[in-house]
Amino acid sequence: AQTVTQSQPEMSVQEAETVTLSCTYDTSENNYYLFWYKQPPSRQMILVIRQEAYKQQNATENRFSVNFQKAAKSFSLKISDSQLGDTAMYFCASLLSGAGSYQLTFGKGTKLSVIP
Amino acid sequence: GAGVSQSPSNKVTEKGKDVELRCDPISGHTALYWYRQSLGQGLEFLIYFQGNSAPDKSGLPSDRFSAERTGGSVSTLTIQRTQQEDSAVYLCASSLVGTGFKETQYFGPGTRLLVL
Repeated sequence: AQTVTQSQPEMSVQEAETVTLSCTYDTSENNYYLFWYKQPPSRQMILVIRQEAYKQQNATENRFSVNFQKAAKSFSLKISDSQLGDTAMYFCASLLSGAGSYQLTFGKGTKLSVIP
Repeated sequence: GAGVSQSPSNKVTEKGKDVELRCDPISGHTALYWYRQSLGQGLEFLIYFQGNSAPDKSGLPSDRFSAERTGGSVSTLTIQRTQQEDSAVYLCASSLVGTGFKETQYFGPGTRLLVL
């Protein structure tokens, strides 16, 4: 079984500053995938960034980047130059890579507020 | 369509009534997923379809819940004899196939169900 833990229920950041959201996970598998999803008040879950566990290079998408530490089972999200539109719930999720694996396991989420 | 769509957006019902929630996946996506998001439980997996078949129904909370998918496209989640604890946001997602990194799950805006 997999578990995903987000230890920060709420965070805030000043506009244009940088913030890091934490995520740890637990799995006995060697191959898996990790995701960060954003859920604004509109409820739409939007994929922010994804990482393949066998890739050592950290994924980046514009202002979003991850710090993937496989040995520590840590997958934090860094948001640079925070914008008001970044205000949302952020969910970390994992997915095993094996055949028949299809279920995303989510953390409880971190509510991020960007302050003008 | 351009994205996953769900209807209705919001549904208010009385305890004991049946409700049907609809999901239209992204065109061409063979895999479809239902999740439930509630305040106390976070995001929990309900059921997964590959084509019209549901290999795993173990996530359905009780026998009051059922789901079907027809034509490899639209899916309906039915909740019979609704209870107040069924109140939640029901999210649908779709992907190209059911496993693997390329098959990232893309979510719809959800249906907010309130059982009075």
